[in-house]
Amino acid sequence: EAEVAQSPRYKITEKSQAVAFWCDPISGHATLYWYRQILGQGPELLVQFQDESVVDDSQLPKDRFSAERLKGVDSTLKIQPAELGDSAMYLCASGPGREYVEQFFGPGTRLTVL
Amino acid sequence: SQQGEEDPQALSIQEGENATMNCSYKTSINNLQWYRQNSGRGLVHLILIRSNEREKHSGRLRVTLDTSKKSSSLLITASRAADTASYFCATRGSGGSNYKLTFGKGTLLTVNP
Repeated sequence: EAEVAQSPRYKITEKSQAVAFWCDPISGHATLYWYRQILGQGPELLVQFQDESVVDDSQLPKDRFSAERLKGVDSTLKIQPAELGDSAMYLCASGPGREYVEQFFGPGTRLTVL
Repeated sequence: SQQGEEDPQALSIQEGENATMNCSYKTSINNLQWYRQNSGRGLVHLILIRSNEREKHSGRLRVTLDTSKKSSSLLITASRAADTASYFCATRGSGGSNYKLTFGKGTLLTVNP
């Protein structure tokens, strides 16, 4: 069964360092989402792609976060510089971009900023 | 910002009992979905209910939707220890082609063997 792949699964970094997360969606899925989930909370959308275009990045802290999906397939989310408050689970999800269809989530990357 | 609010925040039951979780939301929706998350893992889709549907079943799951009250409930019957997880409702707003979901804070369900 096709799955969303994410790497790394865990990342520990120091404050002010740069970190990058990678996501490979299910083949053929046009939409790709990056969520941030703080412990004890629900996921919050950071950025949504339709193919290679950003559809929604209204909640992305653009001074330090960037995301790209250059060929409309896999995607990278970067944080530079990382801050203590960025410690969270970063989840990638994909979907076919149609009505009434669920999103498929990857296992997530757990980021700890020291 | 979180659209949905789940209630209760935490629920502890014995194996074999039923578990009911509620979700309230604020704006009109296209559909509402429930997801499960095991500790430290990604989310798994459970069930989707459209705004023009009132009830839906899938195995041991029953979801209801009351758009007049902007609320939904998830019932898990004959619970098992493996059902221990966090459960989130997520809403997709009505109108447009933006398929993004807005999640609630979740209900942590513990099923004791």
